[in-house]
Formats: sequence, structure tokens, C-alpha cells
Amino acid sequence: EAQVTQNPRYLITVTGKKLTVTCSQNMNHEYMSWYRQDPGLGLRQIYYSMNVEVTDKGDVPEGYKVSRKEKRNFPLILESPSPNQTSLYFCASRESADIQYFGAGTRLSVL
Amino acid sequence: GQSLEQPSEVTAVEGAIVQINCTYQTSGFYGLSWYQQHDGGAPTFLSYNALDGLEETGRFSSFLSRSDSYGYLLLQELQMKDSASYFCARDTGFQKLVFGTGTRLLVSP
Repeated sequence: EAQVTQNPRYLITVTGKKLTVTCSQNMNHEYMSWYRQDPGLGLRQIYYSMNVEVTDKGDVPEGYKVSRKEKRNFPLILESPSPNQTSLYFCASRESADIQYFGAGTRLSVL
Repeated sequence: GQSLEQPSEVTAVEGAIVQINCTYQTSGFYGLSWYQQHDGGAPTFLSYNALDGLEETGRFSSFLSRSDSYGYLLLQELQMKDSASYFCARDTGFQKLVFGTGTRLLVSP
């Protein structure tokens, strides 16, 4: 079964405490992305990756880092989280131009 | 430009047909996708149009007119389970998928 798995699903943390949200896909897709979703703003792309060791900024990359050391994994790193990064985060992967598969989401609260 | 415009909310009754429009700015356009998202859930892919015309998948159809920078999602024989948010997304061809702000569809009995 095609799956994009993100962990954790829910996370409450404090300002400045580094955290990592993991993402893994089992479809051997080349393309992976991270989005954040905020009320009234839709989904905004944070970072994307076109293959191993190839990443690029999306529309809202400030305060985030990513890495793509293996094809299946694409972790999102917040080195020093701030309250404005409180959001719902989705990881996604795709092979071609059409279908993009999303993970179940990670709801992050930064206090 | 990056933005896509879609109505914030649409209401309809069971069994009806509803059309959700999406207009976009044309810089770097390769195709238009549609996604459905139920409350608390992840977006799921519905359709993709790279060329002008209508794509039909069961009760859902999607249309694209590149010359008008416009597309729509058509939902027929509406069911209560179709109550969800629907997003159009512009594919720039460089893995930058830009989403609209979403249309909340409310289906009533």
C-alpha cells in the first residue's frame, strides 16, 4: 500500500528547543515536499526535494531545514522553533506531475 | 505571480451538482490539480489537467482553459460525504506546487 508516514502526529514544544519531524515514503518517489497549513492561507510549500541530496526552498522556508540523505526519508528540522511556527505540517511525495500523496499530518504547537 | 483564486465557501444539497472555480496567474504554469481534504485529514488527490478540456473520474470532473487561466472542479450527484475543503493547485513544473486557499463545500440533506 502506498504510504507517506510522518511522525509525530502531535507535538507540543517550547520556543528554542530543536525538533525534527520525520517523513518516510514507500513508493520510491523522487520528489518530496513539506507544507504547512494555516487557517485561511491554504497549503504553503516550505521545502522540496527532487532527489537524494537535492533540495530547494519553497515559498516559506525561513526557520526550517531539510535533508535528503536517502530517497525514502525527508525530515523537517526546526533548529529554534518559535510560536509563529505553530501549524499543521504535511509531508508529500510524488513520482510524476500529477498524483501527490500526503502524510497524515503533524500538528505542532510552539509555546 | 503565484496566487490562485477560489471561492471560500459553497453550499449545496444532496443530489445536486456543484462547480468550484479556480483562476490562476500564468507565470510558470504546467498544470492544475485538485485535492480534497476532510476536516482533520490529509489532502487527497482528485484530478490533474495539463491540457485544455475536461477530465472525468466518476462523479468528479475537472476542466481547464489555459487561454483563460481558469479551471473548475465539477461534483455531480452530491453526497453528504463530499462535504470537505477542495483545493486547486498550480504546478510550476519545478516541483513547486502552489495551492489556492481552498473552498469549503457544505452538503446538506
